[in-house]
Amino acid sequence: SQTIHQWPATLVQPVGSPLSLECTVEGTSNPNLYWYRQAAGRGLQLLFYSVGIGQISSEVPQNLSASRPQDRQFILSSKKLLLSDSGFYLCSAHAGTGELFFGEGSRLTVL
Amino acid sequence: GNSVTQMEGPVTLSEEAFLTINCTYTATGYPSLFWYVQYPGEGLQLLLKATKADDKGSNKGFEATYRKETTSFHLEKGSVQVSDSAVYFCALSPETSYDKVIFGPGTSLSVIP
Repeated sequence: SQTIHQWPATLVQPVGSPLSLECTVEGTSNPNLYWYRQAAGRGLQLLFYSVGIGQISSEVPQNLSASRPQDRQFILSSKKLLLSDSGFYLCSAHAGTGELFFGEGSRLTVL
Repeated sequence: GNSVTQMEGPVTLSEEAFLTINCTYTATGYPSLFWYVQYPGEGLQLLLKATKADDKGSNKGFEATYRKETTSFHLEKGSVQVSDSAVYFCALSPETSYDKVIFGPGTSLSVIP
């Protein structure tokens, strides 16, 4: 079965600092990968999705970016964080059966 | 385009009450349908799924039936417990594997003793 590793689990960053969240997938090859953000008490907002190495689709204009340097690695980055970037970030992978597997999430607080 | 509509919460129920969370969808072709659950402070996990019309997904006492004629996938449980308190997301996976999964906005459920 698929396993999603996501880190760091929690981080507190000042406004204007850079960000790097990493996600790796085990148990499958060539998955579709997703980054979601969940603001407090809100639903899921799709940020990026990728169907292969180097292929990134952005859903929402923002100061975040994503990269997929390897088949099972997905990275979310920012050069300068904003207060509005605070939230719970979830990485997920799309299995052959159509369902998504999720990591445990990364909680980001921007001060 | 594809979309998922879910009843707005929050929903508060007493223990052992009957639960229904409505979900309807818009999609071309024959999507797969899912319910995910998110417990406080955690990521999402699959609760149940159905991949074709009239399929019934079930898990942990929860059930949902894929109704193509009404484009619905309502979640039900006959007797909720305090441990069922969570946020529930209805989701759709399009027929083509390269399309992104679509989530509903989520419904927060609180079960009180």
